Amino acid sequence: DAGVTQSPTHLIKTRGQQVTLRCSPKSGHDTVSWYQQALGQGPQFIFQYYEEEERQRGNFPDRFSGHQFPNYSSELNVNALLLGDSALYLCASRYGGEGYGYTFGSGTRLTVV
Amino acid sequence: AQKVTQAQTEISVVEKEDVTLDCVYETRDTTYYLFWYKQPPSGELVFLIRRNSFDEQNEISGRYSWNFQKSTSSFNFTITASQVVDSAVYFCALSEPIGGGSYIPTFGRGTSLIVHP
Repeated sequence: DAGVTQSPTHLIKTRGQQVTLRCSPKSGHDTVSWYQQALGQGPQFIFQYYEEEERQRGNFPDRFSGHQFPNYSSELNVNALLLGDSALYLCASRYGGEGYGYTFGSGTRLTVV
Repeated sequence: AQKVTQAQTEISVVEKEDVTLDCVYETRDTTYYLFWYKQPPSGELVFLIRRNSFDEQNEISGRYSWNFQKSTSSFNFTITASQVVDSAVYFCALSEPIGGGSYIPTFGRGTSLIVHP
């Protein structure tokens, strides 16, 4: 049973460009969250999708946007990339309410140059 | 002030030693959830445990145990008889309600555990 799958694994982009990261949740999971993890830091919550709608959002600018598709997969889009956007982007999925732990993917390492 | 404080940045032990990872949280809510995750070098976070604020029972799972004390706002994690495979970064997380049944998670900065053979 595949867990959470993220693509691509690594990505290098130039400042000012746009990027799209993709996530396929674990089978049976319907809620997807995205996190940004800078080097040496804990993950920071970006937003969560459920039933194709953004349900909660962390303290991230509008340059960060997302989408959830009917098959529960999700995309994270970042516009006008800044050097500070360089980080590991983690996708996590779960089924059920807040009391259930998330299953995380291995992440996409984004480097902005 | 940080909502989740993991004061130990790095802990180094020798195999078979017991080790405790500390987590102190801050919240004004009476309903919240606490989690521990393990992040091995491969990058994905592995869910270890969750606790809701109304359940202060300590829990033991094999070599892992968790001590939740609301009086001190702490949720500490102990590994008994550590093994090299326990080497990883461990994160404590707090999930607080923001209304409408929604919650926002906050992670600590993590504790890097190195277990030497």
